[in-house]
Amino acid sequence: NAGVTQTPKFRVLKTGQSMTLLCAQDMNHEYMYWYRQDPGMGLRLIHYSVGEGTTAKGEVPDGYNVSRLKKQNFLLGLESAAPSQTSVYFCASSYLGDSAIYEQYFGPGTRLTVT
Amino acid sequence: ILNVEQSPQSLHVQEGDSTNFTCSFPSSNFYALHWYRWETAKSPEALFVMTLNGDEKKKGRISATLNTKEGYSYLYIKGSQPEDSATYLCAFRHAGGTSYGKLTFGQGTILTVHP
Repeated sequence: NAGVTQTPKFRVLKTGQSMTLLCAQDMNHEYMYWYRQDPGMGLRLIHYSVGEGTTAKGEVPDGYNVSRLKKQNFLLGLESAAPSQTSVYFCASSYLGDSAIYEQYFGPGTRLTVT
Repeated sequence: ILNVEQSPQSLHVQEGDSTNFTCSFPSSNFYALHWYRWETAKSPEALFVMTLNGDEKKKGRISATLNTKEGYSYLYIKGSQPEDSATYLCAFRHAGGTSYGKLTFGQGTILTVHP
């Protein structure tokens, strides 16, 4: 059981370039989330998905797009990277258990620098 | 936007000291309060989930309490060890029908335990 994995671990982009971050989970979780983590800001939700084929905006969605074509994968896209998107990106997944607790399991993070 | 505040932002203690920190969250529409432990270069890992006013949870030397009426939770570490050094995050889940397990995170308390 790999849990939640993220690809790549590190990336440096130039302003205006595009890229896609991949999150994969093997726990058959319904819900998946993308966060960004900036110093002094905690984790902020970018987008989330409640199932295959569905996505929704979180707290800070501007400049990002997402897709959930398969249940196990959640992709985060940057169409035209900006220096303000320099951050560490975390993916998480959760399931709706009997207690509806929605415990979230996190990936290892992707460190993105935009120059 | 839901406000989740943690204090202090950082804490330095000596090995063997006991310590505690606070998470404040909205007292209305409460559903659950999560605590995560986040070591440098690793993923956040779940410590506790609390749902009921007066809940107390314990895992080894770490314990947590919950007061939903006044909107705060305390995390206690008894006899701190250097391996307890980490960022401790709390996250609030509100009771809205379409919350889909979304969590609002505090900015974290960075704990450093000196040998």
